[in-house]
Amino acid sequence: EAQVTQNPRYLITVTGKKLTVTCSQNMNHEYMSWYRQDPGLGLRQIYYSMNVEVTDKGDVPEGYKVSRKEKRNFPLILESPSPNQTSLYFCASSLGMTSGSFNEQFFGPGTRLTVL
Amino acid sequence: SQQGEEDPQALSIQEGENATMNCSYKTSINNLQWYRQNSGRGLVHLILIRSNEREKHSGRLRVTLDTSKKSSSLLITASRAADTASYFCADTGRRALTFGSGTRLQVQP
Repeated sequence: EAQVTQNPRYLITVTGKKLTVTCSQNMNHEYMSWYRQDPGLGLRQIYYSMNVEVTDKGDVPEGYKVSRKEKRNFPLILESPSPNQTSLYFCASSLGMTSGSFNEQFFGPGTRLTVL
Repeated sequence: SQQGEEDPQALSIQEGENATMNCSYKTSINNLQWYRQNSGRGLVHLILIRSNEREKHSGRLRVTLDTSKKSSSLLITASRAADTASYFCADTGRRALTFGSGTRLQVQP
């Protein structure tokens, strides 16, 4: 089954304790992205990757890191989490661009993170 | 950064009625996409309309695009209780999609 998986689905942690949220897709997609969703603010992009070893900042990259060593995986790293990073996080993947036009994105189920 | 903005923020209708949601965006686009999100779950792609298209249909969904007004609308006909969800438009830039804050649709049975 074609899908985007994220782990963990739920996480409660404390300020300053490094954590990684994994994301994996089995559709051979080139493009992957991380979003955070907060009430009243919609989805905001954190980082994205157009292909292996190519990553770029989205709208709210502060406090986050990513890596894209393999096509299928795109982990999100919080080196020193803070309470303002409490949010619902989504990973998404896509074929990327076709004829200069962005393709549809496939979303993971989400990771609900609470930083105390 | 460019951003789609949906209107209204919330909409409550009776089952069987039509629901219309509007979206405005700020810059030129290649395409505009609509997504649906059930509470707390991942977004699901509904429909994509390209900048050279004016209208597109998919089942009970009808999307229009007016590039001169930088706006799009999503019409759901003959709504069902199962259509209750949040709906987002996303406009496409050179390297990313930018989502609006969504319309929360409640369909009363």
